[in-house]
Amino acid sequence: EIVMTQSPATLSVSPGERATLSCWASQSVSSNLAWYQQKPGQAPRLLIYDASTRATGFPARFSGSGSGTDFTLTISSLQSEDFAVYYCQQFNKWPYTFGQGTHLEIK
Amino acid sequence: EVQLLESGGGLVQPGGSLRLSCAASGFTFSSYAMNWVRQAPGKGLEWVSGISSGGGSTNYADSVKGRFTISRDNSKNTLYLQMNSLRVEDTAIYYCAKGGKRWPPGAFDIWGQGTMVTVSS
Repeated sequence: EIVMTQSPATLSVSPGERATLSCWASQSVSSNLAWYQQKPGQAPRLLIYDASTRATGFPARFSGSGSGTDFTLTISSLQSEDFAVYYCQQFNKWPYTFGQGTHLEIK
Repeated sequence: EVQLLESGGGLVQPGGSLRLSCAASGFTFSSYAMNWVRQAPGKGLEWVSGISSGGGSTNYADSVKGRFTISRDNSKNTLYLQMNSLRVEDTAIYYCAKGGKRWPPGAFDIWGQGTMVTVSS
């Protein structure tokens, strides 16, 4: 199974600042990677798919990059509604696997 | 509006069974692969199972293989997860999630609100 590793586990950032979240795959997943946002008590929401395509409803301050084994989610200027847990997921090979999540908290 | 609504969760003893349902609306259910994803209390996401649009292809996480069965009824726009031989470690919120039209299904673009399954004596 492909192991997805996210870093850091917790990221403390002030509103208006930039946040950079990382995700690594134990083997190449090409561009078959998604990012999800989950707020407390809510279901996850698809944020980025195919490594860099933003899903409907998310503003341009969210961007994804990378391919192969190294991926990055960048939020250019954090707004209050962006503080949440973010998961990466590979869909290149069964079983689909998620990273353990990065908790983005207000500094 | 595209919507997924899970039901069927509850409290069950170890070794027991439960069937979850996920009612879909707002899209052509029969055209899309579907999945179950779970989240143990305070933990991360774990993909459980997936099924192709016509139901002819399925896949399972090793942790549930042989115990859980995914199925769908396209005439009723409903996805199911039959869970047998339940274990304490199966305790989680179970989400159904819509995939793409292809198989394997790609990213999960719509999620239900989840149904809680608690396995405890």
